[in-house]
Amino acid sequence: EPEVTQTPSHQVTQMGQEVILRCVPISNHLYFYWYRQILGQKVEFLVSFYNNEISEKSEIFDDQFSVERPDGSNFTLKIRSTKLEDSAMYFCASWTVRGTDTQYFGPGTRLTVL
Amino acid sequence: KQEVTQIPAALSVPEGENLVLNCSFTDSAIYNLQWFRQDPGKGLTSLLLIQSSQREQTSGRLNASLDKSSGRSTLYIAASQPGDSATYLCALRGNYGQNFVFGPGTRLSVLP
Repeated sequence: EPEVTQTPSHQVTQMGQEVILRCVPISNHLYFYWYRQILGQKVEFLVSFYNNEISEKSEIFDDQFSVERPDGSNFTLKIRSTKLEDSAMYFCASWTVRGTDTQYFGPGTRLTVL
Repeated sequence: KQEVTQIPAALSVPEGENLVLNCSFTDSAIYNLQWFRQDPGKGLTSLLLIQSSQREQTSGRLNASLDKSSGRSTLYIAASQPGDSATYLCALRGNYGQNFVFGPGTRLSVLP
């Protein structure tokens, strides 16, 4: 069974610090996503990425966020200057263009900003 | 803008009961709908995916239906077990975007 992996599983950082969350999508997938879930709230879409560029982003994905696929396998989410309200679970997902395939989600990275 | 709601927010049932979880959405122009399970503090486990052209999907004790015209999907769980206790999320992908829009979830407790 193919799977999306994410590292680290838990990241603790101080407010104002930069963090990079890493994801390894399924190898033949073409679309990549980041979602986040603040504790007790809905899962929210952040950004989608296709063909080495952002294809869609939500209002949440402001200038402090960026995404990158640096080496053809990893997919990263960078938060430049973390705020307390960035504390959440961050999920990576990937998808092929075949409509019958599900969007596969990783296990998540829990980010705690102190 | 697509809005997804789920009723009830929480449900507690005795083991062995059949139950139905509901998901409603405001925009019927959907590409597909997916049901997920989420255990506390954990990731999302995909349960069933229904394409917009389908009416239902089944996997084991789970059956999901889709009625686009009424903006509803249901997840039916037969013969519930304590191991089914989790939060169940429905998520939709629209025709004009790639991302999923998630509902708030139904927290299910199955009592032994």
